Amino acid sequence: DQQVKQNSPSLSVQEGRISILNCDYTNSMFDYFLWYKKYPAEGPTFLISISSIKDKNEDGRFTVFLNKSAKHLSLHIVPSQPGDSAVYFCAASANSGNTPLVFGKGTRLSVIA
Amino acid sequence: EPEVTQTPSHQVTQMGQEVILRCVPISNHLYFYWYRQILGQKVEFLVSFYNNEISEKSEIFDDQFSVERPDGSNFTLKIRSTKLEDSAMYFCASSEQPGRLNEKLFFGSGTQLSVL
Repeated sequence: DQQVKQNSPSLSVQEGRISILNCDYTNSMFDYFLWYKKYPAEGPTFLISISSIKDKNEDGRFTVFLNKSAKHLSLHIVPSQPGDSAVYFCAASANSGNTPLVFGKGTRLSVIA
Repeated sequence: EPEVTQTPSHQVTQMGQEVILRCVPISNHLYFYWYRQILGQKVEFLVSFYNNEISEKSEIFDDQFSVERPDGSNFTLKIRSTKLEDSAMYFCASSEQPGRLNEKLFFGSGTQLSVL
């Protein structure tokens, strides 16, 4: 039962280029989406989020796009930096109080200098 | 910056033994969570806890699991009789607000549990 899918386990990008991480979801009740970043030996840390009433949210080098009809979201990092190398988790929650986050398996991003 | 701390960072145990994973959430947070990640799999929700009781739990959180906030600072996850498939990284998290404000969910660095 994979409600949140990250089909690419890994991605390598040259420094300075754009990184695009993809995420698909199946539960139409999800209305809030988040990206977390995780470095080795650390817990996930919140990166950026988007509500289903929007199709884009931007924060510095990070932009999240949401395509509700396709049940797809993506995280764009531009320009990519070596310090962005980490595992990125897509997560989603449904429209109810205290709903636990549902995570994807993560995509390991390697930014090559 | 305040952080969630978890101890131990690694725990090795024999199958059938009891383990207690410990967490100190951020001091002014009211909502507490346990998640786990089996190697190569997704991060899975186990349980949420508020006001000294379980708010929600997943199917994974069966009778072998229990949570407790024994004092004002610690939040523990107990597995009574560990199984091989309990081997995973266990993350504690806390937040000021539940549900839709989950972006403010702060994770600890995890406890790697290995059941032999």
